[in-house]
Amino acid sequence: SQQGEEDPQALSIQEGENATMNCSYKTSINNLQWYRQNSGRGLVHLILIRSNEREKHSGRLRVTLDTSKKSSSLLITASRAADTASYFCATEENDMRFGAGTRLTVKP
Amino acid sequence: DTGVSQDPRHKITKRGQNVTFRCDPISEHNRLYWYRQTLGQGPEFLTYFQNEAQLEKSRLLSDRFSAERPKGSFSTLEIQRTEQGDSAMYLCASTSAGTGDSPLHFGNGTRLTVT
Repeated sequence: SQQGEEDPQALSIQEGENATMNCSYKTSINNLQWYRQNSGRGLVHLILIRSNEREKHSGRLRVTLDTSKKSSSLLITASRAADTASYFCATEENDMRFGAGTRLTVKP
Repeated sequence: DTGVSQDPRHKITKRGQNVTFRCDPISEHNRLYWYRQTLGQGPEFLTYFQNEAQLEKSRLLSDRFSAERPKGSFSTLEIQRTEQGDSAMYLCASTSAGTGDSPLHFGNGTRLTVT
């Protein structure tokens, strides 16, 4: 079964706006990872947050983790057209299974 | 670190033929994953290896699919008697399991088209 489930399935915003996508999971975790995929390419690791962390930043990315709700969110601030991609979350506890992802479109 | 490489990049085959894909992981990575991805969907887990041992195989994977990692380095994924439903992108990823927080490194995939 899938572990990470992302929502929304699709998100369309204007350049400069913030984009928030969410991930829910089912079991206890050691860490949760977010990935990005451009069309026709492999996935690229963005950020990893450990179970004892609540928030983590990397450039324009902000990830939060709520282990009590078994959920995480990825915020991309001041989005750019180049951020257009699909975004996925995954955890090791379910053998790095991915959900359907969130397809983000940033309009210039 | 030259990254994860997959070969071929594209493969077109006729239904009923066998195909084999190769994945070369990052050299020091001991864990290797295979995924299948169709348009608009997330990567679907197929199987993974810890060194040369195949530890998990998806129940969705029919017996036409087989994967090997004979020396714990490169891996091959073979599909026998291909069907049109096998058309997809096949992704390989590697990581250093057991070393703490190690993310997956993906190749750019092999796109299979079965005609």
